[in-house]
Parts: sequence; C-alpha cells; structure tokens
Amino acid sequence: DTAVSQTPKYLVTQMGNDKSIKCEQNLGHDTMYWYKQDSKKFLKIMFSYNNKELIINETVPNRFSPKSPDKAHLNLHINSLELGDSAVYFCASSQGQGNANFETQYFGPGTRLLVL
Amino acid sequence: AQSVTQLGSHVSVSEGALVLLRCNYSSSVPPYLFWYVQYPNQGLQLLLKYTSAATLVKGINGFEAEFKKSETSFHLTKPSAHMSDAAEYFCAVSELTNFGNEKLTFGTGTRLTIIP
Repeated sequence: DTAVSQTPKYLVTQMGNDKSIKCEQNLGHDTMYWYKQDSKKFLKIMFSYNNKELIINETVPNRFSPKSPDKAHLNLHINSLELGDSAVYFCASSQGQGNANFETQYFGPGTRLLVL
Repeated sequence: AQSVTQLGSHVSVSEGALVLLRCNYSSSVPPYLFWYVQYPNQGLQLLLKYTSAATLVKGINGFEAEFKKSETSFHLTKPSAHMSDAAEYFCAVSELTNFGNEKLTFGTGTRLTIIP
C-alpha cells in the first residue's frame, strides 16, 4: 500500500556514468516533484510535473532530465554523473494542478546516490 | 522569494520535557506554512500545515504550531517529548513561481534528540 515509491533505494556508481531513478505514486495525484537533499540535509526542489507536463525547473543542470510517461510516474535520468551529484533524491506528489492550492506533498522514501 | 529560517540545527530535550523548534518566515504575502518530519533513512512526512484558517494548528503525534504574524514565526511545540520523536524536522513555506505554480521552500532542518 506504498503511496509514493522510488527505486532504487541505494545507488553507487562511478563518475561519468548515466543512471536513472524511478518514482511511482498510487495516490491518483496530478502533480509530482523531484527534490535533492544534500549532505547538510538541505532540501531543494528540482522539478515539478503536472499531468506529464513540466511546470517547475529550478535551474538544474541539463544533465538531469525528468521524464513523465504518465501522471503516476516521474523518472529522473542523470547523464555524466559528477561527484557533486551525490545526495538523497526524493520524489513527491500532490493533488491539484500545482497552482496555488497549496496541497500537501507526499514524499517517497528517497534514493541515496553516491558517485565515486 | 519567500524563505524560512530554522534557529538551532540541533535541539536536545529530556524525555517528558517540552519540545520547541523555531521557525521564522519571510514573505511578502500571507504564507502557507508546513512542518515536516524525517525519521532516519525515511522520506518526509507532514506533521501539520497552516493555511490561514486558524492560527493554532494541531498536527499528528501531539505536535502543534502557532502562526504569529507580528513575529513572522511558526514555531513547533509538543508538551511532552517521547523517545520516538527523535528525528529531523523541517519548516517549509509554499510560494508561487513566476508562472503561478506552487513550490515548497524548506528551512535547513533541526535535528531533535531525546535524552532518556
């Protein structure tokens, strides 16, 4: 009965590799998000999608490419991984259109990425 | 842009003592404010949110927060700490982007330790 799930939970990889993280929500929400939490626990939004369309892109390097095949899934593909990409990546979802309803966001358990 | 400041990156209280976690916000418009909790190796879970209905907001697990406009504060409290409250706590403000989409901006978090 997991609401927001992410795979994998842990990801260890070498610099320069390309990797993907998957996110799925079974809450019927229309809006999904990707957040990055750094080693100091600072949490910052990266992207937001509403009904498969990108609505927020917070000046993230274009090595990061989100893809939403349907409104229940938002995957994150990262090209040419760098040491600074090491972080915990959280997926989240919320009801509504993501436009001033200020709905609660529900978070996944996170994917811990370590780039060596 | 709106922001939140959490005073004290680490707070320790004895079991049974009052918990007080501080959050101040900066906003040019009436804010929507949230407290999230993150248990070790887990995602974020909503504790409570303020949406201008009532200044004292009650959340889960016995937590509550009071919105004080004059002090631009939204401090989180719990009368009696329990060992299970040990976690990282994040204050967040919801704001609109230039395109009318909402996003959460998080504070830097406060780690709560409970002393037996």
